[in-house]
Amino acid sequence: QLQLQESGPGLVRPSETLSLTCTVSGGSITSDNYYWGWIRQPPGRGLEWIGNVHYSGATYHNPSLKSRVTMSVDTSKKQFSLKLSSVTAADTAVYYCANYCSGDSCSSPNAFGIWGQGTMVSVSS
Amino acid sequence: VMTQSPATLSLSPGERATLSCRASQTVSSNYLSWYQQKPGQAPRLLLYGTSNRATGIPARFSGSGSGTDFTLTISSLQPEDFAVYYCQHNYNFSWTFGQGTKVEIK
Repeated sequence: QLQLQESGPGLVRPSETLSLTCTVSGGSITSDNYYWGWIRQPPGRGLEWIGNVHYSGATYHNPSLKSRVTMSVDTSKKQFSLKLSSVTAADTAVYYCANYCSGDSCSSPNAFGIWGQGTMVSVSS
Repeated sequence: VMTQSPATLSLSPGERATLSCRASQTVSSNYLSWYQQKPGQAPRLLLYGTSNRATGIPARFSGSGSGTDFTLTISSLQPEDFAVYYCQHNYNFSWTFGQGTKVEIK
């Protein structure tokens, strides 16, 4: 059973870079069907898709955040990561990593079927 | 853009809940999903491909729709169903969530 766990600082200073890592266990990070996603949720608000990354290095970004987002996959560590630069208070949120499985061979195709528990990141001086 | 309505639905246990999700353009039903989120928890996949229940999801949850209009129906609300529900779509490698519908106890 695939499991995901986010890790990273809970507090980031304004104008600095937010860095998070998601560790994958119970399955492969290199499946061609898997897209590894980042989704965030500001306090009291809805879900916002940040971006997805494939183990091949292909990345897909929310246009509203694209210029500030960097995503990558470390297959040796079974981890994928998110960097969000030039953060402001508006970036304060719970950040989730998730697995999106594409294609009919998936148990739940074309959906974010597995989520991490989420990690709260506050931007404050 | 995915627009959900209503923003809040106030119902009693045992009642039927009907949640709407409207896309700003025609989308493929294969890529339309619904999620449930309870306070302090990560979202949980309910339905994928518009109408297919994820593993472990009770039969009282059903989905329908095509084109731009999609619906999540909970046939008889149980106490554990009071939560926020999100629709989500992937179009051309761009993933979008609706703003959510809160189902609250009346």
